[in-house]
Amino acid sequence: EDQVTQSPEALRLQEGESSSLNCSYTVSGLRGLFWYRQDPGKGPEFLFTLYSAGEEKEKERLKATLTKKESFLHITAPKPEDSATYLCGGASNSGYALNFGKGTSLLVTP
Amino acid sequence: DAGVIQSPRHEVTEMGQEVTLRCKPISGHDYLFWYRQTMMRGLELLIYFNNNVPIDDSGMPEDRFSAKMPNASFSTLKIQPSEPRDSAVYFCASSFREYSNQPQHFGDGTRLSIL
Repeated sequence: EDQVTQSPEALRLQEGESSSLNCSYTVSGLRGLFWYRQDPGKGPEFLFTLYSAGEEKEKERLKATLTKKESFLHITAPKPEDSATYLCGGASNSGYALNFGKGTSLLVTP
Repeated sequence: DAGVIQSPRHEVTEMGQEVTLRCKPISGHDYLFWYRQTMMRGLELLIYFNNNVPIDDSGMPEDRFSAKMPNASFSTLKIQPSEPRDSAVYFCASSFREYSNQPQHFGDGTRLSIL
């Protein structure tokens, strides 16, 4: 059964303190690994799609990487406005369903 | 360009009542998805449509749930009769062609509370 697990559930960082969020997946025939950001009271907002092991993508202070078993979202020198819940989801070749993890709630304090 | 529009944003109703959630996808998108988000289970796919045709409804929890897409610019998710365990945030998302190459764009959701 396809599964996506995110860790940690919650993370508190000081402004400028870099860290990484983890997304472990067991998705048969992974077609794409998606990262989204979700602010309170809002829908998920697309960040990145990764397709193959070794691929990396960057956007401002965020960098997403992919291996054969997991993906990392690295946050470099975070700011308070990076506080949000970060979701990852896997898409398999067997269908169009996106399997999402439960997310990591990130709080960045000044 | 307007994003995915959902209504109502909040719905509070009593157990046993019929609930209808509405979604207007982004113009030109041919895939539409309905998700449900709870603290316990996270974000779960309920059903998705391609060109207004339901493709996979295996995530619909039971017969009390139904979804329709009468045209390319409108979809509804109906719960009848509603139960307290249906309380959740319901999201609609849309994408263009094969979503593995195109991200899904989400609306801001409907927060549903069943008393």
